[in-house]
Amino acid sequence: GQQVMQIPQYQHVQEGEDFTTYCNSSTTLSNIQWYKQRPGGHPVFLIQLVKSGEVKKQKRLTFQFGEAKKNSSLHITATQTTDVGTYFCAGPVNAGGTSYGKLTFGQGTILTVHP
Amino acid sequence: SAVISQKPSRDICQRGTSLTIQCQVDSQVTMMFWYRQQPGQSLTLIATANQGSEATYESGFVIDKFPISRPNLTFSTLTVSNMSPEDSSIYLCSARTSGGVPGTGELFFGEGSRLTVL
Repeated sequence: GQQVMQIPQYQHVQEGEDFTTYCNSSTTLSNIQWYKQRPGGHPVFLIQLVKSGEVKKQKRLTFQFGEAKKNSSLHITATQTTDVGTYFCAGPVNAGGTSYGKLTFGQGTILTVHP
Repeated sequence: SAVISQKPSRDICQRGTSLTIQCQVDSQVTMMFWYRQQPGQSLTLIATANQGSEATYESGFVIDKFPISRPNLTFSTLTVSNMSPEDSSIYLCSARTSGGVPGTGELFFGEGSRLTVL
């Protein structure tokens, strides 16, 4: 079945350092979404990418969707302690060509930031 | 947008008992889903809650173990039946408001229900 793989599983950085997490799908995705989950919290939507090669920015966060629409990345510039949490990518579940609105989530990258 | 309320937020349950989690959305949503998340792990989709009909379950999840109801567009329940310690997890209700292309549009999540089964 469809798999969405995410690496690394953990990332520890010093405040001010950059951070990147990568997401790879076994199948072509119609779109990819990114979520952030703070410790003890619930996942919160960050962004959705739809177009091949798309790049979107939100302040210090840069999101990319690969040309083949099978991979994506999230890059955070100059991390801050408020960036701590788990970052998940998620793609539509393919069921006979129809996703039915379901998402499959990557394993997540747990980011810790040392002040 | 949508605000999702879940209850209970946490519970400690005895083996063999059942617990029903309620999920209330503050607006009409097109799709509702139930996910399970082990601490520190990813989210696993249990089922899609269909309004007025039987839920659609993912591989590895069955109706007898996780009966789901969705009587209207804003409310759903998930029951964890005959619980064992392996069912200890966080259960998350989620919803999508977009009526557009399936698979697009953000998912909103409830705060989660943390179940511990002794």
